[in-house]
Amino acid sequence: KQEVTQIPAALSVPEGENLVLNCSFTDSAIYNLQWFRQDPGKGLTSLLLIQSSQREQTSGRLNASLDKSSGRSTLYIAASQPGDSATYLCAALEDSNYQLIWGAGTKLIIKP
Amino acid sequence: DVKVTQSSRYLVKRTGEKVFLECVQDMDHENMFWYRQDPGLGLRLIYFSYDVKMKEKGDIPEGYSVSREKKERFSLILESASTNQTSMYLCASSDSGSFNYEQYFGPGTRLTVT
Repeated sequence: KQEVTQIPAALSVPEGENLVLNCSFTDSAIYNLQWFRQDPGKGLTSLLLIQSSQREQTSGRLNASLDKSSGRSTLYIAASQPGDSATYLCAALEDSNYQLIWGAGTKLIIKP
Repeated sequence: DVKVTQSSRYLVKRTGEKVFLECVQDMDHENMFWYRQDPGLGLRLIYFSYDVKMKEKGDIPEGYSVSREKKERFSLILESASTNQTSMYLCASSDSGSFNYEQYFGPGTRLTVT
């Protein structure tokens, strides 16, 4: 059964730093992988979606990569800002039934 | 823009009450989903629906039921609310015809059962 893991569970860095959030999955049979952002008490905002045939996607200061063979995805945030503080979730869409399997999230705090 | 709305942002109910959580999407999506989110456990799929009047159990359907009488509306029902159903509930929809099956989420309903 597919399992998605996000490490670390929490991360605190000073403003301006570049940082990487990690997401790993146990079964490479995924259709795509999505990264979401969640602000406290709010719903989910989709950030980036990488198809299984792609290696990376970029949006502004965000870059997500996907390596199916190693079961890993990373979300790179450049020049972090306090407004980036949120919980970041990754989810793998299974090939077999098109359902999302979720990581538990990384809580990111950017210190001014 | 796809819009998914949920009937309440916050809800407080008593143990044993019947609770209805409503979700509406405005993009004519075929697929709709109900998740619950708890600290440290991530999102877990409760029920989903691929079409009107169609429903499928997710990973944790016990204690819940759903209704989809119209394409745009997907309701989650707690027949007899219990304290262990206190959680954040998230609704999502996706288009079967899209190539990436991207799910779009509502703002969530934080339910407290006392």
